Amino acid sequence: GQSLEQPSEVTAVEGAIVQINCTYQTSGFYGLSWYQQHDGGAPTFLSYNALDGLEETGRFSSFLSRSDSYGYLLLQELQMKDSASYFCAGEDNFNKFYFGSGTKLNVKP
Amino acid sequence: GAVVSQHPSWVICKSGTSVKIECRSLDFQATTMFWYRQFPKQSLMLMATSNEGSKATYEQGVEKDKFLINHASLTLSTLTVTSAHPEDSSFYICSASDRDLHYNEQFFGPGTRLTVL
Repeated sequence: GQSLEQPSEVTAVEGAIVQINCTYQTSGFYGLSWYQQHDGGAPTFLSYNALDGLEETGRFSSFLSRSDSYGYLLLQELQMKDSASYFCAGEDNFNKFYFGSGTKLNVKP
Repeated sequence: GAVVSQHPSWVICKSGTSVKIECRSLDFQATTMFWYRQFPKQSLMLMATSNEGSKATYEQGVEKDKFLINHASLTLSTLTVTSAHPEDSSFYICSASDRDLHYNEQFFGPGTRLTVL
């Protein structure tokens, strides 16, 4: 089965750094993705980790520890437009993605 | 970047009717397409995986006779909700991937909001 857990909501101020954690129990785990979704919109891809370690893409970084079944998304220099829901998604060895419950990020001025 | 479209974006129908949703990859050939359902303020739930030219693989608990999926070509997959009922009202989102071109990245369509009266 597939199970991914994330905090339901996080609040931070503009310019700050925030970390969104994801723990997973995925049979045949292959990799972990992160997606951003604004209200009423479609998810957009942020990052993917197949190997342990940190992947950096601009203000966003993602980390994976396969031994701990844990990953996180790090958002730096927060902007108001970063207010959205963030989902981790575990990929299994059939190339299917199963999404976590999502974390609503509120960025305040 | 890769673009995926869905049609219609919004549909309202009466209970008992069938609704067809199209998902198209516009600028790449999608070896695999996925169909998700999302209820308000909830996560995306994978319904089925669709590969061109073969039968879709449904997730546990998803009725294949109710949610008919056809993947006619490398750029088109359709989801038909048969005999829709109010509990089928949801946001249906497709995604497409081409592992040879966009490794491990799925491209999502804009979604279709279905309301069954």
